[in-house]
Amino acid sequence: GAGVSQSPSNKVTEKGKDVELRCDPISGHTALYWYRQRLGQGLEFLIYFQGNSAPDKSGLPSDRFSAERTGESVSTLTIQRTQQEDSAVYLCASSLSGVRTDTQYFGPGTRLTVL
Amino acid sequence: EDKVVQSPLSLVVHEGDTVTLNCSYEVTNFRSLLWYKQEKKAPTFLFMLTSSGIEKKSGRLSSILDKKELFSILNITATQTGDSAVYLCAVGLIQGAQKLVFGQGTRLTINP
Repeated sequence: GAGVSQSPSNKVTEKGKDVELRCDPISGHTALYWYRQRLGQGLEFLIYFQGNSAPDKSGLPSDRFSAERTGESVSTLTIQRTQQEDSAVYLCASSLSGVRTDTQYFGPGTRLTVL
Repeated sequence: EDKVVQSPLSLVVHEGDTVTLNCSYEVTNFRSLLWYKQEKKAPTFLFMLTSSGIEKKSGRLSSILDKKELFSILNITATQTGDSAVYLCAVGLIQGAQKLVFGQGTRLTINP
């Protein structure tokens, strides 16, 4: 496909369970970003991957959050022992190069609801 | 702390009106300012501005940056109901991580 894709589109889980969110970036995009958007709020940066460099994890809110990316392909964001405050839309974006351009292209997001 | 503030937070106008959305920023190592339109979940890119005083236009939308006063405006003329969305402003920083710092967004509603 031409755009960034994410799955699932919606996820409802119970407090304390682990969840895994997936992002497929645009082919050829070396940079990949995860953001969180709480209801009525702007986007909060979570983590950034650039090629094979060590990721920038400075936005991860707690050690319950982790993300992986293999090479320049799919990324997964894992939230362990989910809490109700984790409920949000999780957006993934990719860009051609993290150095050359700031234009990030966003996926449709995963709406996470923690009951 | 890097900060991006948008105003107003919410705006309701009639179809055909012209609107101006504001974005001010206080950041270290500014590199660019971006506007996005968010209708459901995925923000879609509108403009990227790096130089002061140069207007960017796309149809009825235009935007300009003032790096001295640290703000940008997004104008929409002859608004249509399809312009209803949340408009997000973000600032790109010259840092190791190419992350964007986002404002809280302006929710624009166009009534027929």
